[in-house]
Amino acid sequence: GESVGLHLPTLSVQEGDNSIINCAYSNSASDYFIWYKQESGKGPQFIIDIRSNMDKRQGQRVTVLLNKTVKHLSLQIAATQPGDSAVYFCAEGTDSSYKLIFGSGTRLLVRP
Amino acid sequence: EADIYQTPRYLVIGTGKKITLECSQTMGHDKMYWYQQDPGMELHLIHYSYGVNSTEKGDLSSESTVSRIRTEHFPLTLESARPSHTSQYLCASSDTQGAREKLFFGSGTQLSVL
Repeated sequence: GESVGLHLPTLSVQEGDNSIINCAYSNSASDYFIWYKQESGKGPQFIIDIRSNMDKRQGQRVTVLLNKTVKHLSLQIAATQPGDSAVYFCAEGTDSSYKLIFGSGTRLLVRP
Repeated sequence: EADIYQTPRYLVIGTGKKITLECSQTMGHDKMYWYQQDPGMELHLIHYSYGVNSTEKGDLSSESTVSRIRTEHFPLTLESARPSHTSQYLCASSDTQGAREKLFFGSGTQLSVL
C-alpha cells in the first residue's frame, strides 16, 4: 500500500547548526504533507504543512521543501536549539479523506 | 497547547483484564482518532470518528472498540488485554483548516500488559 518513510532514523547536530530531516513518500495523489514534532512523553505537535501545488513553505526557523518529481519532502530547521531535540514525523493526506498516513520517525539530537 | 486529555498516562495490567482508555477534548472538534505507536515508530490509525454515533475502523487491525456518545469523549476499550497490546495509544482530534486536517494530539497512554 501507500507509505511514507524516512531516510535516517537518528540525526545528531551541533547547537546552532542547521538541520535537515528527509522523508520519502509513495502516494503521488497526496494533496498535502505535514511535519510533526514529538517530544519525549508527549503527543505529536504540528510544525508546518505544505500543499502539493507548492514546492517550498517557510515558517519560524523552519522550511519545508517538496520535490514531487522524486517524491521527496524535507524539513529544514535553522539555528538548531536544544529544544528542537525530538522525534520528527512526516505525514501525508488527501482532501478526500480525513486520515493521515504517518512515516517512521527521525530522532534529532542537538549537541551543546 | 491543545485541549485534549488522555487518562491514564501509564497503565500496567495483567492478561485478560478489561481496560478503557479515556480521551476528552474541549475544542468542539467533530473528528477524533486513536493511533497506536511503538517507540520511535510511525503512528498507525486504529479507529476514527466523524461525529457523535459515528465510528470507523482504521488501517491497522485492532481488537479494541470505541464509542462516541458525546462530541467531547472518545473512549477506547480492550475487552481482554494481551501482551501483544503493549504499546502507546494516542488520541487526537481535528478540524479542517484551509482544506487540510490539523490534528491535535493528547499526551498518550503507555499500556503494558503482563
